[in-house]
Amino acid sequence: EAQLVESGGALVQPGASLKLSCAASGFSFSGSAIHWVRQASGKGLEWVGRIRSRVQSYATAYAASVNGRFTISRDDSKNMAYLQMNSLKPEDTAVYYCTRHSGGLDYWGEGSLVTVSS
Amino acid sequence: DIQLTQSPSSLSASVGDGVTITCRASQNIGSHLNWYQQTPGKAPKLLIFTASGLQSGVPPRFSGSGSGTDYTLTISSLQPEDFATYYCQQSDSTPYTFGQGTQVEIK
Repeated sequence: EAQLVESGGALVQPGASLKLSCAASGFSFSGSAIHWVRQASGKGLEWVGRIRSRVQSYATAYAASVNGRFTISRDDSKNMAYLQMNSLKPEDTAVYYCTRHSGGLDYWGEGSLVTVSS
Repeated sequence: DIQLTQSPSSLSASVGDGVTITCRASQNIGSHLNWYQQTPGKAPKLLIFTASGLQSGVPPRFSGSGSGTDYTLTISSLQPEDFATYYCQQSDSTPYTFGQGTQVEIK
């Protein structure tokens, strides 16, 4: 059974950095594009960014709202993806999901809560 | 960036009703349109991929159609577990934007 598990969410102050991890199992991780999607409390879904597979040169893309502050990476040897978040702002407060893209976003984790507040 | 506009934002319906949700893109997205269902406190669930492909395990009462800029999600006969929020998402080009969501409530 395919599974994605996020970890690393925390309460941090504005301007801080935080790194989320996403552990994958049950599917071909190395051949999959991994996306991050976030959702603020009571709000809709916001696409954050993605990293493609090695065959597609690990190409990354980001939403304008996080571009230059967030970085997505992966370690195929560990079946792990990461979301490095720098210069965090209160508006980055949300549940962060990692998800696999295959046609659509078919596998999702349960999410990791990031709270940015002083 | 491609904007997606869903309508309606919310609707009330009864068990057994048929409902239709529309999603309009700001430009042609070549059927790269997906639909998700989300219940409170849960991750979204993929229902329909590439406009009309039914995701494995999703009941056939869910169907999708459309092309170009206009897409539709139809639930043929609402079941109690279908009361949720539905989102469209385009995967034609990054950023992979979502619609604002449609909340389906019990009448």
